[in-house]
Amino acid sequence: ETGVTQSPTHLIKTRGQQVTLRCSSQSGHNTVSWYQQALGQGPQFIFQYYREEENGRGNFPPRFSGLQFPNYSSELNVNALELDDSALYLCASSLDGRAGGGEQFFGPGTRLTVL
Amino acid sequence: EDQVTQSPEALRLQEGESSSLNCSYTVSGLRGLFWYRQDPGKGPEFLFTLYSAGEEKEKERLKATLTKKESFLHITAPKPEDSATYLCALQTGANNLFFGTGTRLTVIP
Repeated sequence: ETGVTQSPTHLIKTRGQQVTLRCSSQSGHNTVSWYQQALGQGPQFIFQYYREEENGRGNFPPRFSGLQFPNYSSELNVNALELDDSALYLCASSLDGRAGGGEQFFGPGTRLTVL
Repeated sequence: EDQVTQSPEALRLQEGESSSLNCSYTVSGLRGLFWYRQDPGKGPEFLFTLYSAGEEKEKERLKATLTKKESFLHITAPKPEDSATYLCALQTGANNLFFGTGTRLTVIP
């Protein structure tokens, strides 16, 4: 069984640029959630995708957008990067988001630094 | 408004010194309470899910319990490899997880 994978591991961008982060869900899971974790804080929910449709969104501006593909992998896109976007971005997969989801299993994260 | 508070923020234990971490919460409709372990620079690792008051789950040196207002993560005879940040998260009406800020545990040999 393959776990959740994320790429890239680390990324450095400058303010105003755009970034795309990628996530492959665990085998058999059809739901992907994205979280932002600032240093010393717990993860904060960005949004969730269930079978290629957005299935809930946290308190993040529209410049945070996402996609889920037919194989249930997912992308997180962030436009017009700001310094405060520097964080660890976590992807989590679960079995069935529409039914409540149960346990979410996290990937190793992408560390984004905005200069 | 849903809230989750973890205490203490940081805890230092001698190897073998048992203790408990607390997660207190207020929520309009709890669907599940989750415990995760997170090592520095890595993603959270799933430990337990608790669904109803009175429920208990155990894994090696860890035991999680749940009441209507709080959950405890009991650590019995900890070892240095138990050092990590322990995160508590609520699953409410939405399908996302609402996390606390964590307890940073250090176990000294």
